[in-house]
Amino acid sequence: GDSVTQMEGPVTLSEEACLTINCTYTATGYPSLFWYVQYPGEGLQLLLKATKADDKGSNKGFEATYRKETTSFHLEKGSVQVSDSAVYFCALSLGSDSNYQLIWGAGTKLIIKP
Amino acid sequence: GAGVSQSPSNKVTEKGKDVELRCDPISGHTALYWYRQRLGQGLEFLIYFQGNSAPDKSGLPSDRFSAERTGESVSTLTIQRTQQEDSAVYLCASSPRTSGRARTETQYFGPGTRLLVL
Repeated sequence: GDSVTQMEGPVTLSEEACLTINCTYTATGYPSLFWYVQYPGEGLQLLLKATKADDKGSNKGFEATYRKETTSFHLEKGSVQVSDSAVYFCALSLGSDSNYQLIWGAGTKLIIKP
Repeated sequence: GAGVSQSPSNKVTEKGKDVELRCDPISGHTALYWYRQRLGQGLEFLIYFQGNSAPDKSGLPSDRFSAERTGESVSTLTIQRTQQEDSAVYLCASSPRTSGRARTETQYFGPGTRLLVL
């Protein structure tokens, strides 16, 4: 069935390090792909998204490119900050208005040390 | 602010009791979603409402779970005869559905209701 697999955490990095959080998916059809973030004590919020192959989503210095050939949507940032510490969720959505599904990865906890 | 709100924020109940969780979506958002998040796991889709269309209930885990929504306003998720495995955070999200394609829409999440069944 359709699924999302993302890197297990926690991922611990020093400030200004380079970040990659891997996300791969299996899906029938043509999903949209999302990264959501949950900062400590806050609700889930959209970080970025891509709705078709080769699209690149970007926000707050984070980027992810929808790669259909490798079924991946890896999250990257060139220089992380302590404020980026959060749990990151990769998700895909499929279906039509009447048969909608949003499928989530298990989340990756990111810890940035000063 | 005008975000998605949920109540209660925390609920502790005894096994076998019924619970009702409430979600107030962002005003004007026609789509509303319920999810369950067990500790250390990703979100599990439960149910999806879109306007006056019949809801997509395909994610409800058993007939003990039900949800209602009146028009484009408040939704309630009811769990009857709660079990310990129902313990989780229940999240509600809404989206404006301006694009006409549900699968491309951004969802706006509430803070969740943390349910503990003893």
